[in-house]
Amino acid sequence: AQKITQTQPGMFVQEKEAVTLDCTYDTSDQSYGLFWYKQPSSGEMIFLIYQGSYDEQNATEGRYSLNFQKARKSANLVISASQLGDSAMYFCAMREANTGNQFYFGTGTSLTVIP
Amino acid sequence: ETGVTQTPRHLVMGMTNKKSLKCEQHLGHNAMYWYKQSAKKPLELMFVYSLEERVENNSVPSRFSPECPNSSHLFLHLHTLQPEDSALYLCASSRDRVSGNQPQHFGDGTRLSIL
Repeated sequence: AQKITQTQPGMFVQEKEAVTLDCTYDTSDQSYGLFWYKQPSSGEMIFLIYQGSYDEQNATEGRYSLNFQKARKSANLVISASQLGDSAMYFCAMREANTGNQFYFGTGTSLTVIP
Repeated sequence: ETGVTQTPRHLVMGMTNKKSLKCEQHLGHNAMYWYKQSAKKPLELMFVYSLEERVENNSVPSRFSPECPNSSHLFLHLHTLQPEDSALYLCASSRDRVSGNQPQHFGDGTRLSIL
């Protein structure tokens, strides 16, 4: 079974608007971490934001916030005030403690910001 | 400047060639990883090194041979590759293998094309 599911292969957003990228995960572990990465066309994977399974508050990093709904096993990324430079692939990832902290990645969502 | 440097950025090789990919991290991390990224598929973890010792090999064909001479350098030696091995190869590092809240930091990747 897929550990990380990203159901939106492509998304479009108007510049300065907010956008939500979906991510659901599958784990039976109580201790895990959720990560979002951005991959521009240059190839580099850039770490954006982290949410721990025991964190009670949603993580925020500048214009990025993570909408963590533990019971639904979802960890959606919200980008506020989109900029043209936000156009990239976005990957959700999970790290489980019971599998030696191996990272599992989703298939990604391609975001295009329209001027 | 990502802290993780991969060379070369692009590589075209024939199926009978031998080449090596190089990764260097300047972050003082103890764990390093090789991933394969193919179109429309999740990142595939290939190898994990912790303190220069290989701790994971995810059923990778023997035509891929990793080497970790020290905690800052990681190589992937390639020999007799197949066309389906064409992909983006990403190197990553993390502080260690066990800290669940620590992200992996990635290089820009090597885009490999097998003729």
